[in-house]
Amino acid sequence: GAVVSQHPSWVICKSGTSVKIECRSLDFQATTMFWYRQFPKQSLMLMATSNEGSKATYEQGVEKDKFLINHASLTLSTLTVTSAHPEDSSFYICSAPTSGSGYEQYFGPGTRLTVT
Amino acid sequence: AQTVTQSQPEMSVQEAETVTLSCTYDTSENNYYLFWYKQPPSRQMILVIRQEAYKQQNATENRFSVNFQKAAKSFSLKISDSQLGDTAMYFCAFMKHPPGGGNKLTFGTGTQLKVEL
Repeated sequence: GAVVSQHPSWVICKSGTSVKIECRSLDFQATTMFWYRQFPKQSLMLMATSNEGSKATYEQGVEKDKFLINHASLTLSTLTVTSAHPEDSSFYICSAPTSGSGYEQYFGPGTRLTVT
Repeated sequence: AQTVTQSQPEMSVQEAETVTLSCTYDTSENNYYLFWYKQPPSRQMILVIRQEAYKQQNATENRFSVNFQKAAKSFSLKISDSQLGDTAMYFCAFMKHPPGGGNKLTFGTGTQLKVEL
């Protein structure tokens, strides 16, 4: 099946700094990618839809100035958490849908962000 | 807006036994997809099984099968011959048939399944 990678898998940063998370589709092109946030033992919460060549679409309640999304190419989307604070600590997951039968989405392995 | 409900936060099953996880959803759409994803301790999301709403036949993937009741808006997952590796969080998910909905997935709250010896 298709593969989606994320980098880094784990990052620790100090409060007030920014951190960038990359999401790559390794063997297929993705005009759309999705970013989720997941708290321990909870479901995935969709944060935004990343669109190649245009602005991201954010879900209600998600601060677009805090969570900057850039879809630089058909295989790369980045999520930058700006001026991170401890409450931004979470597990961030990206996914990319395929256009094949069933419109299956492939998920990255996730990035654990800890803000100290 | 669509909602997906999983009423069983936790379940346990003995190895080799069968277990059924429940999922109900609410939508006014007629064409859509339903999915079951598993998230093991590694936290990698893995597709278990997929059902297209226009297909009456229940999907089956080896030990995994679904009971899709469109009128009742129910989509349960049956795991046969449970194995220790099935221990994971299971999420039921809904997606409008593209292009409507933009390929967005709506997830349920999840069911933590533990397979015991």
